[in-house]
Amino acid sequence: GENVEQHPSTLSVQEGDSAVIKCTYSDSASNYFPWYKQELGKGPQLIIDIRSNVGEKKDQRIAVTLNKTAKHFSLHITETQPEDSAVYFCAASESNNDMRFGAGTRLTVKP
Amino acid sequence: IAGITQAPTSQILAAGRRMTLRCTQDMRHNAMYWYRQDLGLGLRLIHYSNTAGTTGKGEVPDGYSVSRANTDDFPLTLASAVPSQTSVYFCASSEQAYTEAFFGQGTRLTVV
Repeated sequence: GENVEQHPSTLSVQEGDSAVIKCTYSDSASNYFPWYKQELGKGPQLIIDIRSNVGEKKDQRIAVTLNKTAKHFSLHITETQPEDSAVYFCAASESNNDMRFGAGTRLTVKP
Repeated sequence: IAGITQAPTSQILAAGRRMTLRCTQDMRHNAMYWYRQDLGLGLRLIHYSNTAGTTGKGEVPDGYSVSRANTDDFPLTLASAVPSQTSVYFCASSEQAYTEAFFGQGTRLTVV
């Protein structure tokens, strides 16, 4: 089955700096790669996703890149703000039925 | 506000007892899921249902059962709880499999 590794496990940046979280996956059949943000005491919330027919997707300060050959994808947050502080999870799957999540990255944005 | 409602929000349960975690969505989504979240392991899929009347096993189904009698409800049952089932449980739904999943607020379960 799919195995997703996520790095780093913790990340601390200064407000205004960029943050990058990287994930690798093992199953070349995976073609859907969502990123979720989880705030304390809440359920995960989708922030951006990418499918295997594109290499990059951007939504305001958030972007995701995908390299299917190398089987890795990354989340980029620019101009970070304190409200970006949360745990971020990457995931990979062919469908929601077999979605595998990374272990998470705790991002802290220091004002 | 439309969304997913889980109950209870937290529970302490004696080992060996039976427990049902409730999940209701009002978005008329076809697919629903149960995940458990453990520190350092991310979220792991327990069971899923692509449509009312059907269910399937996820990555960690042992010790859990589900039913999907209608579109809105997807209860998760622990027939005989064990301490290793201590976790935070999240229910989620999506319009179809392979589309954005919406998560509930979670149920924190402690088995002692």
